Amino acid sequence: AQSVSQHNHHVILSEAASLELGCNYSYGGTVNLFWYVQYPGQHLQLLLKYFSGDPLVKGIKGFEAEFIKSKFSFNLRKPSVQWSDTAEYFCAVETGGSYIPTFGRGTSLIVHP
Amino acid sequence: NAGVTQTPKFRVLKTGQSMTLLCAQDMNHEYMYWYRQDPGMGLRLIHYSVGEGTTAKGEVPDGYNVSRLKKQNFLLGLESAAPSQTSVYFCASSDPGTAISNQPQHFGDGTRLSIL
Repeated sequence: AQSVSQHNHHVILSEAASLELGCNYSYGGTVNLFWYVQYPGQHLQLLLKYFSGDPLVKGIKGFEAEFIKSKFSFNLRKPSVQWSDTAEYFCAVETGGSYIPTFGRGTSLIVHP
Repeated sequence: NAGVTQTPKFRVLKTGQSMTLLCAQDMNHEYMYWYRQDPGMGLRLIHYSVGEGTTAKGEVPDGYNVSRLKKQNFLLGLESAAPSQTSVYFCASSDPGTAISNQPQHFGDGTRLSIL
């Protein structure tokens, strides 16, 4: 069974700092990749997704992620975080055609104003 | 357009009681899922369904049952609740999409369940 690792469990930043959250997966075949965000007290919402094509994917709210196939990674980045980015972030990976994503354990991000 | 609606939002049960969580989606999605979310554990898949009348086990199915009698509804049942089932439960739905890309999941607002 595939696994998804998010190495940063808790991240604390000040506003305007840059962000990079790691996501690695174990499956060697075709994958679909997602980042979801969960704001306090809310449900998960899609930030961005990668299926094919340009490995640099841009999502909502200034987030982007880069798929590096050789490293089995799909790291999330944002050049300048805001207090409103305080949330939990989940990486999810689907093996091609499964429609059943595996989620990482999540990274809690706190941004201080 | 309501998306994915979960009822109830909160519930407190005593050990051994039974209850059913309801998930309804109005997007005509084929796939529906039930997850539980626990601190430090992320989302773990309990059961899922790939269409009306079908169900399948996920990662943590023990102690839960599901039914998908209608395409828009996916019910999660706890026959005899245990304290270990205290969690936040999320329902999600998705559409298989095209041969090129899968569609992301749409999540409900969650049900916070406490078992005493």
